[in-house]
Amino acid sequence: AQSVTQLGSHVSVSEGALVLLRCNYSSSVPPYLFWYVQYPNQGLQLLLKYTSAATLVKGINGFEAEFKKSETSFHLTKPSAHMSDAAEYFCAVSDITGNQFYFGTGTSLTVIP
Amino acid sequence: EPEVTQTPSHQVTQMGQEVILRCVPISNHLYFYWYRQILGQKVEFLVSFYNNEISEKSEIFDDQFSVERPDGSNFTLKIRSTKLEDSAMYFCASSEGRTGNSPLHFGNGTRLTVT
Repeated sequence: AQSVTQLGSHVSVSEGALVLLRCNYSSSVPPYLFWYVQYPNQGLQLLLKYTSAATLVKGINGFEAEFKKSETSFHLTKPSAHMSDAAEYFCAVSDITGNQFYFGTGTSLTVIP
Repeated sequence: EPEVTQTPSHQVTQMGQEVILRCVPISNHLYFYWYRQILGQKVEFLVSFYNNEISEKSEIFDDQFSVERPDGSNFTLKIRSTKLEDSAMYFCASSEGRTGNSPLHFGNGTRLTVT
């Protein structure tokens, strides 16, 4: 079965600092990987997706993620945190035959002014 | 940009009552989903729906739950007899194709509170 593990349920960074949110996947076949962001009282918004094209994927709001097969990772990064980045971030995995996403437990990002 | 809309945004109901959560998926999407998120916990898959039938469901989606696409635009989740543990945020989602290559587009959710 597919699964993702997000290390760190809470991450705090200073405004302007690097954001690194970790995600490792468990999949027996090449997966499709996604990052979603959830702002307070809102739904899940797609940040970016990996679907076996380029291993470095750029998303919205300056975020990017790199698919590393050797490490089974898909960590989310942003060079410089902004106050508006404070939200919950979810990593998700699927495979081409799947009918569902498997979500990680989420990482809450706090940006300190 | 087209979006998934859900109504109501907040539903309060008494234990044992039936509730219907409503969703309007993006118009050209073919796959529909319900997920839920209990406060402070992960987003959990409930059910997927394609071609007017359930294509996959989780263990959570027991006989108390049902889904329906009553017309060409709405997609509903019914809970027949609500329990306290059904209190959660329920998200509807839709996608153009199977999840492998098509991202899910989520609505803003319905917060269900069972008292």
